[in-house]
Amino acid sequence: ILNVEQSPQSLHVQEGDSTNFTCSFPSSNFYALHWYRWETAKSPEALFVMTLNGDEKKKGRISATLNTKEGYSYLYIKGSQPEDSATYLCAFSITGNQFYFGTGTSLTVIP
Amino acid sequence: EAQVTQNPRYLITVTGKKLTVTCSQNMNHEYMSWYRQDPGLGLRQIYYSMNVEVTDKGDVPEGYKVSRKEKRNFPLILESPSPNQTSLYFCASSFRGRGRVNNEQFFGPGTRLTVL
Repeated sequence: ILNVEQSPQSLHVQEGDSTNFTCSFPSSNFYALHWYRWETAKSPEALFVMTLNGDEKKKGRISATLNTKEGYSYLYIKGSQPEDSATYLCAFSITGNQFYFGTGTSLTVIP
Repeated sequence: EAQVTQNPRYLITVTGKKLTVTCSQNMNHEYMSWYRQDPGLGLRQIYYSMNVEVTDKGDVPEGYKVSRKEKRNFPLILESPSPNQTSLYFCASSFRGRGRVNNEQFFGPGTRLTVL
């Protein structure tokens, strides 16, 4: 079992604040790192798939970076909005077929 | 509409009574996978399939079986359910084209299973 850790476990921010979370994973045998957004009572939805060291991806106000050599990825949300409230999951893979998920960061954006 | 469907969405059953949770996708994805979600734990992979007739164990396969006879379907079978299999189950699928690197997974709506 590979250990994927996410921090913080939960986060409360004011609307308009920018925030970031961390996903830590084993730095050896890297294949891919996925980020998913999971709203209550819904299914996880993909945000980013990152495969190369130094990758930076952006979708609207959300962006992510990847450092495979040190085993971490950051997810950034600029100008948080109430609709950004969700749990953000990262998933690490060494084969592209087996995935190891972190327990997630629960974000609450207060209007 | 491109989607992954699961049935049933909710199921309460008793120990030892065989059950099947169906999963179907209409996106012609080669890869399909089953996960379970338990409080305080991340999604844990049960089984996955890289294509028709190709399946392999994930992290927590004990007590589960799968089959992949058709590309679109990937049922999860619990031959003799036990209370520790009470969980929220997700099916997911992904495109695996030739030479393609890892792609995003599309998740079904989830099946909440309670084993008494």
